[in-house]
Amino acid sequence: EVQLLQSGGGLVQPGGSLRLSCAASGFTFDSYAMSWVRQAPGKGLEWLSTISGSGRNTDSADSVKGRLTISRDNSKDTLYLQLDSLRVEDTATYYCAKLRGFSYGYPKDCWGQGTLVTVSS
Amino acid sequence: DIQMTQSPSSLSASVGDRVTITCRTSQGISNYLAWYQQKPGKAPKLLISGASTLLSGVPSRFSGSGSGTDFTLTISSLQPEDVATYYCQRYYSAPLSFGGGTKVEIK
Repeated sequence: EVQLLQSGGGLVQPGGSLRLSCAASGFTFDSYAMSWVRQAPGKGLEWLSTISGSGRNTDSADSVKGRLTISRDNSKDTLYLQLDSLRVEDTATYYCAKLRGFSYGYPKDCWGQGTLVTVSS
Repeated sequence: DIQMTQSPSSLSASVGDRVTITCRTSQGISNYLAWYQQKPGKAPKLLISGASTLLSGVPSRFSGSGSGTDFTLTISSLQPEDVATYYCQRYYSAPLSFGGGTKVEIK
């Protein structure tokens, strides 16, 4: 069974950083691109970033470019998100998601359970 | 960037009704469009890829159509378990934008 288990998150102060992890199981991790998507309370889905199966190619939304680092450790079957210089508007539930293929051109067919990040002093 | 416009933003329909949700893109995206269903408090679930290909296990009352800039998700006979918010997303190249969502409720 394909599973994505997220960890990290919680309450973070403005200006701080967050690091989220997404542990994958049930599939050949390095064969699939992965993404991070977030959802502010009561709002829609916002794509944040995608990384190819090899980890060599990444892209991020303009809204977080320069503050977000997506990475993966294929030896540990784990995806990471680091978001720096946190703002109140970064408060959201963050989801990791598996794409159906190696690179960007595929939809997301499996999602983590989501983790709430609250940015507040 | 390509803009994704979903309509309506919400709808209320009776059980058994046919429901149609539209997604329009500001530039042609061929058929690189997916539809997701998100139930309250849950992660999204992929329903349709390639604009019209139903994922395995998705009830056949769901269907998708369209190509280029205009796409449609149809629920042929609305069921109580279909209460959710539905999102379209383009997925060929970044930014991998989502539509604003359509909240579907039972009347």
